[in-house]
Amino acid sequence: GAGVSQTPSNKVTEKGKYVELRCDPISGHTALYWYRQSLGQGPEFLIYFQGTGAADDSGLPNDRFFAVRPEGSVSTLKIQRTERGDSAVYLCASSLEIGQHYEQYFGPGTRLTVT
Amino acid sequence: SQELEQSPQSLIVQEGKNLTINCTSSKTLYGLYWYKQKYGEGLIFLMMLQKGGEEKSHEKITAKLDEKKQQSSLHITASQPSHAGIYLCGADIGGSNYKLTFGKGTLLTVNP
Repeated sequence: GAGVSQTPSNKVTEKGKYVELRCDPISGHTALYWYRQSLGQGPEFLIYFQGTGAADDSGLPNDRFFAVRPEGSVSTLKIQRTERGDSAVYLCASSLEIGQHYEQYFGPGTRLTVT
Repeated sequence: SQELEQSPQSLIVQEGKNLTINCTSSKTLYGLYWYKQKYGEGLIFLMMLQKGGEEKSHEKITAKLDEKKQQSSLHITASQPSHAGIYLCGADIGGSNYKLTFGKGTLLTVNP
């Protein structure tokens, strides 16, 4: 079946602008995760959804970042007043359930460049 | 310091050679995952290890978990150019059941 998809694949925006990044998880997966990967680094956890609610948003860097998953499927990561330091690849992952037995399947990512 | 250290940072091997990548945690491992990433692409799930002493294989790739040493190794036998990419280890080191911490990755180049 279809894997995790993310749109857009690339986004270039000017400093101070607002951006939205979209994630379509694998159908039937209840858990959804956002990670951020900077150049030369491994992904860093941002936020996790179980169903519609954000169960853990402790990884969001500051209050300019916000994510929603209104119907328990598609999720949108929103960044306000973008800064150059926000430039990174934003990865979305989903898993059937939460727990160490359930592997997280990752999407191809959205490469965000803030100029 | 990194909670998950991978070594080496990069590796160049000749096609057909064997190689090993290591991943060491400074904290207790509750689950260890190996992923492969190619430039511009997402992470491809390779293997998941949960119990000390566990060993899993897929095609020519074998991963082991040494729980006491808080370490995992990924071994590739008879490497091929298709094995080239960045190998990332990720782990649940806080017992959250969902939050993965990743190493910085190991860049593997396989020369034909």
